[in-house]
Amino acid sequence: GAVVSQHPSRVICKSGTSVKIECRSLDFQATTMFWYRQFPKKSLMLMATSNEGSKATYEQGVEKDKFLINHASLTLSTLTVTSAHPEDSSFYICSARDSGQGDTGELFFGEGSRLTVL
Amino acid sequence: GQNIDQPTEMTATEGAIVQINCTYQTSGFNGLFWYQQHAGEAPTFLSYNVLDGLEEKGRFSSFLSRSKGYSYLLLKELQMKDSASYLCACMDSNYQLIWGAGTKLIIKP
Repeated sequence: GAVVSQHPSRVICKSGTSVKIECRSLDFQATTMFWYRQFPKKSLMLMATSNEGSKATYEQGVEKDKFLINHASLTLSTLTVTSAHPEDSSFYICSARDSGQGDTGELFFGEGSRLTVL
Repeated sequence: GQNIDQPTEMTATEGAIVQINCTYQTSGFNGLFWYQQHAGEAPTFLSYNVLDGLEEKGRFSSFLSRSKGYSYLLLKELQMKDSASYLCACMDSNYQLIWGAGTKLIIKP
């Protein structure tokens, strides 16, 4: 099946620093990728839709200057948490749809990245 | 507005059968997904229904009734490893997924 790789899986950083999380589709092309945030015991919260070659579409309430998204190629999207603060600590998950012949509508998820800001 | 409802928590016994219900109201409908999520991990795909009826896949089955805005996930021969959260999600007319809050399933020996 299709594989989405997310890196790093865990990151600890100091308050005020920036952290980049990568999401790669390994064996398919993804025109669209999605970034989610998940709080403990809560469902996924869609943060933004990442579109290859164009600007990301952010959900209401998500600061686009704080959560920078770049989708420079059909297999890579990055989420950068800028000037991170402890309240940004969370589990961040990406997903992607196969935009080629294999598109069944299914979303393939990365492994998730747990960010802890000290 | 768009809304997905599913029970917060359910408990079942190892070896038994459990049914997790999901009702939805969305702007348009392009299918319903069920995902399994273990604590601290990303969701994994279980099923996708776009037509009415039952889809069976091993111990797991998923049912959809579009006219009723209703789906259920049926898990048979429960195993301890089935303890997880089960997320119901609908794809709306814009092909965006609307997520339910998830049902935490606790399996007891």
